[in-house]
Amino acid sequence: GQNIDQPTEMTATEGAIVQINCTYQTSGFNGLFWYQQHAGEAPTFLSYNVLDGLEEKGRFSSFLSRSKGYSYLLLKELQMKDSASYLCAALIKAAGNKLTFGGGTRVLVKP
Amino acid sequence: DAGVIQSPRHEVTEMGQEVTLRCKPISGHNSLFWYRQTMMRGLELLIYFNNNVPIDDSGMPEDRFSAKMPNASFSTLKIQPSEPRDSAVYFCASSLGGLGGYGYTFGSGTRLTVV
Repeated sequence: GQNIDQPTEMTATEGAIVQINCTYQTSGFNGLFWYQQHAGEAPTFLSYNVLDGLEEKGRFSSFLSRSKGYSYLLLKELQMKDSASYLCAALIKAAGNKLTFGGGTRVLVKP
Repeated sequence: DAGVIQSPRHEVTEMGQEVTLRCKPISGHNSLFWYRQTMMRGLELLIYFNNNVPIDDSGMPEDRFSAKMPNASFSTLKIQPSEPRDSAVYFCASSLGGLGGYGYTFGSGTRLTVV
């Protein structure tokens, strides 16, 4: 089966850095996505890693280690608007490609 | 581009009634996905289509759920009869088949409440 684990909730201070970890055990792994979801809204794409290493995109970075089944999302210079849920999703190559999501990590940014 | 369009945004219905959710994917996208999101179970994939053909419906909870994609620009998810435990937010998403590193684009979702 597919198993994706991430912490349920994290709290951080405005201006700080937060790292959200994700571990996965999947068959047919074909890449790792991170999505952001504000309350009451749809998930929106943040990042995609298919090779090992760090991908940086402005204040957000994502890291992948395929051998360890591990990824993290790093949020720097936190802003109040970063308060949201962050979803880790494994791309599974089956008949086509499908995304399987973790339960999400709710990040609360405090002033 | 208008993005993925779902209707209705909110639906309140009585137990036993039929519910139909609608989705228009992004033009040119050839894969379409139906997800359900609840606090308890997170985002669950129900079914997905490639080029209008259902590929994997193993996530459909039971026979009360059915989905169709009669053409490249329209899909429906139907629940008949509906039950209170079906209350959730239902998302439709679309993508290019190869994904290209951009993942899925989600619609705004339909919040379904079955009373």
